[in-house]
Amino acid sequence: GESVGLHLPTLSVQEGDNSIINCAYSNSASDYFIWYKQESGKGPQFIIDIRSNMDKRQGQRVTVLLNKTVKHLSLQIAATQPGDSAVYFCAENTSSGGSYIPTFGRGTSLIVHP
Amino acid sequence: GAGVSQSPSNKVTEKGKDVELRCDPISGHTALYWYRQSLGQGLEFLIYFQGNSAPDKSGLPSDRFSAERTGGSVSTLTIQRTQQEDSAVYLCASSPWTAGQETQYFGPGTRLLVL
Repeated sequence: GESVGLHLPTLSVQEGDNSIINCAYSNSASDYFIWYKQESGKGPQFIIDIRSNMDKRQGQRVTVLLNKTVKHLSLQIAATQPGDSAVYFCAENTSSGGSYIPTFGRGTSLIVHP
Repeated sequence: GAGVSQSPSNKVTEKGKDVELRCDPISGHTALYWYRQSLGQGLEFLIYFQGNSAPDKSGLPSDRFSAERTGGSVSTLTIQRTQQEDSAVYLCASSPWTAGQETQYFGPGTRLLVL
């Protein structure tokens, strides 16, 4: 997983396994969190988001869990596919004075082996 | 539909030269961001434009960096007297920035190499 701060820069899994990417954030005032996927040579692409009034949100094959008590965020990818291989970033947002500038973590590289 | 576009996709320049990087945001998006991404690193915030408000320049690393956004649409990031440490991918993102619509949409980036 990664932190906004880095814990685990590379995660290798087998095709079909479930993947979990972790992220720790530091600002307890953050109220909006986003996961992005960045494939080689491309810009980051939105995957899923969650607001601080929720602790879980599900998308297609992806689930984001938010634990505000310990300031931890995770991205779960079900039945991981080779096309999921990419760098995954979490971002935390704190609305301040109407400005919305997210802070990005360093990223976790997910490698899916066929 | 049309996404965020950036040009050039790649730029090689010599140390000391000025460069201009262009970003065309998604039509109607009021917020525009510039980031810098070094190899294997995360995204470093540079500057943020929101509507007609004064831009937030708090992320610009030095006075050699500047950006403008004309007509609330196209933005240009200018780096003067480039240095080798400026080599990176420069990413632009735009956002509708209305309640519940803060998601950023990124362009493909401009890869800058300063020799």
